[in-house]
Amino acid sequence: GAGVSQSPRYKVAKRGQDVALRCDPISGHVSLFWYQQALGQGPEFLTYFQNEAQLDKSGLPSDRFFAERPEGSVSTLKIQRTQQEDSAVYLCASSLALWERVYEQYFGPGTRLTVT
Amino acid sequence: AQSVSQHNHHVILSEAASLELGCNYSYGGTVNLFWYVQYPGQHLQLLLKYFSGDPLVKGIKGFEAEFIKSKFSFNLRKPSVQWSDTAEYFCAVNAHYGGSQGNLIFGKGTKLSVKP
Repeated sequence: GAGVSQSPRYKVAKRGQDVALRCDPISGHVSLFWYQQALGQGPEFLTYFQNEAQLDKSGLPSDRFFAERPEGSVSTLKIQRTQQEDSAVYLCASSLALWERVYEQYFGPGTRLTVT
Repeated sequence: AQSVSQHNHHVILSEAASLELGCNYSYGGTVNLFWYVQYPGQHLQLLLKYFSGDPLVKGIKGFEAEFIKSKFSFNLRKPSVQWSDTAEYFCAVNAHYGGSQGNLIFGKGTKLSVKP
């Protein structure tokens, strides 16, 4: 079946612009995660949704970052007033996980954001 | 805070050589352990996982990993690598605490280059 999809795949933004990154999880997956991967690093957790509820946003680096999943499926990560340090690959992952039952996470291809 | 250490940044091997990539984590409670692989130009894919039971787990493409609780380690092994194993490998931990489903904590990754 279809995997996790993300759009756009590449985004170039001028410093100060707002950007919106979209994630379409695997159908039926309850949990959705956003990660940020800087060059040469492993992915770092940003935020987590269970259905439409954002249960953990402890990894969001500043209040310029905002994520939503209003209908419990598609999610959008928005970055306001982008800065150069926001340049990274933004990964979305989904899983069947619910509460303490853990399943593996399936990753999308990522959106590479470059802030100039 | 939990962390994951991958000891090797870049490993270069010839085909048919044996592989062992180290991974240590710093969390004393219940953990789930994963190895993900990212082939050039592709998204992160699950290689293998450990949830419970037999500490020696087998994954796809002939990879295996051993969970040694006393050493907080989850090393990845393959007896004979192929050129097609050239990729970046990430170790990840899902730590359970306070009833949270928990996000993945990744190591920085190990780049494997296999010479034909």
